[in-house]
Amino acid sequence: SQTIHQWPATLVQPVGSPLSLECTVEGTSNPNLYWYRQAAGRGLQLLFYSVGIGQISSEVPQNLSASRPQDRQFILSSKKLLLSDSGFYLCAWSVGRAFFGQGTRLTVV
Amino acid sequence: DQQVKQNSPSLSVQEGRISILNCDYTNSMFDYFLWYKKYPAEGPTFLISISSIKDKNEDGRFTVFLNKSAKHLSLHIVPSQPGDSAVYFCAASERAFGNEKLTFGTGTRLTIIP
Repeated sequence: SQTIHQWPATLVQPVGSPLSLECTVEGTSNPNLYWYRQAAGRGLQLLFYSVGIGQISSEVPQNLSASRPQDRQFILSSKKLLLSDSGFYLCAWSVGRAFFGQGTRLTVV
Repeated sequence: DQQVKQNSPSLSVQEGRISILNCDYTNSMFDYFLWYKKYPAEGPTFLISISSIKDKNEDGRFTVFLNKSAKHLSLHIVPSQPGDSAVYFCAASERAFGNEKLTFGTGTRLTIIP
């Protein structure tokens, strides 16, 4: 069966520090991968999606970037975090419907 | 531009009664709709979906209705149980065009009162 791993579960980072969140998928090949963010009191906003290695599409302009170095690995990064980057970040893969990881609660202080 | 809207941020329903969650969309290219359930500090879990070729899909206590002309869908939960208390997200995609990106609504927090 397919599983998705996302870590860390929680993260507190100072403003201006770098960020790296990692997501890996098991049990499937060439999945579509996604990064979503849920800001406080808001819905799930699609940040990035990838249909293959090295192929990244950005949905909204922002302080973040994504990379897909391997077929089943998706990384969300930032060089310098802003206070507004705080939120709940979710990785997902899809085949017809999306399956989500457990999420990372990021607090930028 | 919010293409998928859930206009009720919260809903309280007595245990055993029917819960009805609503969702409206503006993009006429959407042809596949899903409902997700989310508990705090967890990822959303898939509940039920419906294709635009149908107007109803049922799975146990959960039924989704789609009204394409009104660009409206709803999720019915009957009977409601305490474990149904969660945030429910409506989502849509342009599946027929090979686009599986999901556009989510802002969510409705459902509280089941024992």
